[in-house]
Amino acid sequence: AQKITQTQPGMFVQEKEAVTLDCTYDTSDQSYGLFWYKQPSSGEMIFLIYQGSYDEQNATEGRYSLNFQKARKSANLVISASQLGDSAMYFCAMREGRAGGSYIPTFGRGTSLIVHP
Amino acid sequence: DAGVIQSPRHEVTEMGQEVTLRCKPISGHDYLFWYRQTMMRGLELLIYFNNNVPIDDSGMPEDRFSAKMPNASFSTLKIQPSEPRDSAVYFCASSWTSDNYNEQFFGPGTRLTVL
Repeated sequence: AQKITQTQPGMFVQEKEAVTLDCTYDTSDQSYGLFWYKQPSSGEMIFLIYQGSYDEQNATEGRYSLNFQKARKSANLVISASQLGDSAMYFCAMREGRAGGSYIPTFGRGTSLIVHP
Repeated sequence: DAGVIQSPRHEVTEMGQEVTLRCKPISGHDYLFWYRQTMMRGLELLIYFNNNVPIDDSGMPEDRFSAKMPNASFSTLKIQPSEPRDSAVYFCASSWTSDNYNEQFFGPGTRLTVL
């Protein structure tokens, strides 16, 4: 079974609109971390935002926010006020277990976002 | 800090040749990861090190692949002999241990083409 599922292979959004990229995860651990990365066409992987399983507040970083619904095991990324430069692949990832112990990160297959002017 | 450094950025080689990819992690980071990215399989974790020791190499596709980390500032991923199906972008990433979960910092990647 996949640990990270991103069901949207591609998404389109109008510039200045908000967009939500879906991510669901599967773990039996109580302690885990969820991450989103951006990969523009240039190829580098850029860290965007992190949510810990025990964090009560949804994480926010500028125009990025993480809609964390623990019971549903979802960690959707919300990008507000989309910009043309947001066009990229977006990857959801999870790390399970204690930070000092087993540390294998798992990535989803990604969602391609295209922002239209 | 210069970030994670990988070399070469691009490598084109012929089937059967040995390929060595290099990585310098961010100073102070004690975890190092090697990933492979292809359209078909997405981003795959090949191996990771903690304090220069390989912890999990279950993602290494076969014996043609080997990775070393002789010191805290350098790691190599070697493919010998290379095959066309090894063509991919190979990423190195590093992170550090703390009580919180820390993000991985990725290098720019090495785009490998095996003809």
